[in-house]
Amino acid sequence: GQQLNQSPQSMFIQEGEDVSMNCTSSSIFNTWLWYKQDPGEGPVLLIALYKAGELTSNGRLTAQFGITRKDSFLNISASIPSDVGIYFCAGYAGNMLTFGGGTRLMVKP
Amino acid sequence: NAGVTQTPKFRILKIGQSMTLQCTQDMNHNYMYWYRQDPGMGLKLIYYSVGAGITDKGEVPNGYNVSRSTTEDFPLRLELAAPSQTSVYFCASRGLSGGSYEQYFGPGTRLTVT
Repeated sequence: GQQLNQSPQSMFIQEGEDVSMNCTSSSIFNTWLWYKQDPGEGPVLLIALYKAGELTSNGRLTAQFGITRKDSFLNISASIPSDVGIYFCAGYAGNMLTFGGGTRLMVKP
Repeated sequence: NAGVTQTPKFRILKIGQSMTLQCTQDMNHNYMYWYRQDPGMGLKLIYYSVGAGITDKGEVPNGYNVSRSTTEDFPLRLELAAPSQTSVYFCASRGLSGGSYEQYFGPGTRLTVT
């Protein structure tokens, strides 16, 4: 099946720092989604990207759909303690959504 | 508007037992999905449905069955539970309007098979 490589696997950053994470694949996807998952809960949708090259923001979060359609990036500006959690990228091909392995974000106050 | 609801929240099964995980959505979404999430991993698709009466296999369907008799409900059946099915199971749904591909998830069912 298709695979998404998400990096980094984990990050430990200082409150107020900016964060970058990315997702790459050998396959083309026609839609990219970014989710956040808190412990013991289901993933919550953060941003959806529909066009190659698209840059979309949601508050302090900005995500981009790579030009090649094989990658996507998520940036978080001025991190705060509630940003802690696991961030997942996911790509659509047909009716099926493939998930990356996640980036665990930990914030030092 | 409750979104996607799942029951039960937790369950412990003995090897060989069977059970049904329930999933209901009240958003009139056509598409529904079942995923499993093993510790420290991303989600893997088990089965999905594009509408009532239509289901299809995902990446890891073995050991599971589904049915979709109504738009709202999409139960997942485990017939002969095995330790390898210990996982957290998430149901999700997606609408068709506006070309949206956004999937919305339930809170999950944590299943342990011993």
